[in-house]
Amino acid sequence: DSGVTQTPKHLITATGQRVTLRCSPRSGDLSVYWYQQSLDQGLQFLIQYYNGEERAKGNILERFSAQQFPDLHSELNLSSLELGDSALYFCASSVAEWGDIQYFGAGTRLSVL
Amino acid sequence: AQSVTQLDSHVSVSEGTPVLLRCNYSSSYSPSLFWYVQHPNKGLQLLLKYTSAATLVKGINGFEAEFKKSETSFHLTKPSAHMSDAAEYFCVVPARVAGTYKYIFGTGTRLKVLA
Repeated sequence: DSGVTQTPKHLITATGQRVTLRCSPRSGDLSVYWYQQSLDQGLQFLIQYYNGEERAKGNILERFSAQQFPDLHSELNLSSLELGDSALYFCASSVAEWGDIQYFGAGTRLSVL
Repeated sequence: AQSVTQLDSHVSVSEGTPVLLRCNYSSSYSPSLFWYVQHPNKGLQLLLKYTSAATLVKGINGFEAEFKKSETSFHLTKPSAHMSDAAEYFCVVPARVAGTYKYIFGTGTRLKVLA
């Protein structure tokens, strides 16, 4: 158990809908990272927050947004969902802002029908 | 620019034989380097981390990796494969890209262990 909690584990929704994925980092970790993993794109970095502030952006679509709250949990919001958004979404956390070991959650599997 | 290349997308070995998963990196200085493992339908788990303290790094489950600056390589090895080693393995380097700090993931190597 990595100590990183992601909810829900599975999510099934329809095209055009909006969903929110939640991540609770390990106790004491200030950085939260979001990744998308699909068969055709592999593992893609989406966005990173450190102590409530956005630190780095990767291949995150404009339809996607994220935030990190004062209690350090993070949410990833996906809107106007398309079939191609179906993927595993991982959250990871680390103590430092960069360069440190990342601890990954078990992921949320999103299926867009 | 910093990058990481995993030279094999798939590797098959027989149970009990050695494992070699290859990773080359590109960096203007000695970096930190990580190997992560992902079992089917699971999150990524750290196998080991190189931080310049020692070139041979021992990780969990009998894996180890050797940092070779002259070859810019960080290959992952295990003397004897076990069926439970079947998984996908990622080589990762922290990097500065366009003014921001990110983790660069290799494309992964899927290890198959044959009985």
